Amino acid sequence: EVQLLESGGDLLQPGGSLRLSCAASGFTLSNFAMGWVRQAPGKGLEWVSMISVSGVSTSYAASVKGRFTISRDNSKNTLYLQMNTLRAEDSAVYYCAKGGGITAPFDSWGQGTLVTVSS
Amino acid sequence: QSVLTQPPSVSGAPGQRVTISCTGTSSNIGSGYDVHWYQQLPGTAPKLLIYVNSNRPSGVPDRFSGSKSGTSASLAITGLQAEDEADYYCQSYDISLGSRVFGGGTKLTVL
Repeated sequence: EVQLLESGGDLLQPGGSLRLSCAASGFTLSNFAMGWVRQAPGKGLEWVSMISVSGVSTSYAASVKGRFTISRDNSKNTLYLQMNTLRAEDSAVYYCAKGGGITAPFDSWGQGTLVTVSS
Repeated sequence: QSVLTQPPSVSGAPGQRVTISCTGTSSNIGSGYDVHWYQQLPGTAPKLLIYVNSNRPSGVPDRFSGSKSGTSASLAITGLQAEDEADYYCQSYDISLGSRVFGGGTKLTVL
């Protein structure tokens, strides 16, 4: 059974940094593209970032480009999202999701981790 | 505003059929990019419901179906059940933005 377990969410002040982790099990992480999707409280889904199987190719939503960095450690079956210069509008539940290539869906999702940015 | 446009809400009585539209542009759905649909039950993570326009993952009832035409896609739910009450999101890829895009979501209420 595919399982994705996010961790690292926290309450922090604007301008701060945070690294989210997503531990994958039940499948071989190295065989799949992976992504992050967020959902602000009471709002819809927003795609955040995407990383290719090898990790060489990454892409970001305009709202986070230059501040967030996605990475993966296939040997640890773990996906990461480094978030810098956080803003109040980055407050959301962050979901790790399997898949998400240009034509591929996000076929499995984690339970999410909450990031709150507030002074 | 979301790149893909969905109605904010739809409703139907048990047993009825409802459809949820997802309207895009020539930069996304109209360029031939596939549409996927997700169901988010209250307080839970999204779940893949329909992939590549009209395909159901294993375990999804055949009451759910998807279609795509031109710059739009639709999700149809027949034989509405109380357990279908959820938020539904469409998703595709936008070549102009170079990013995956979601619709704003549609809240389905079963009356």
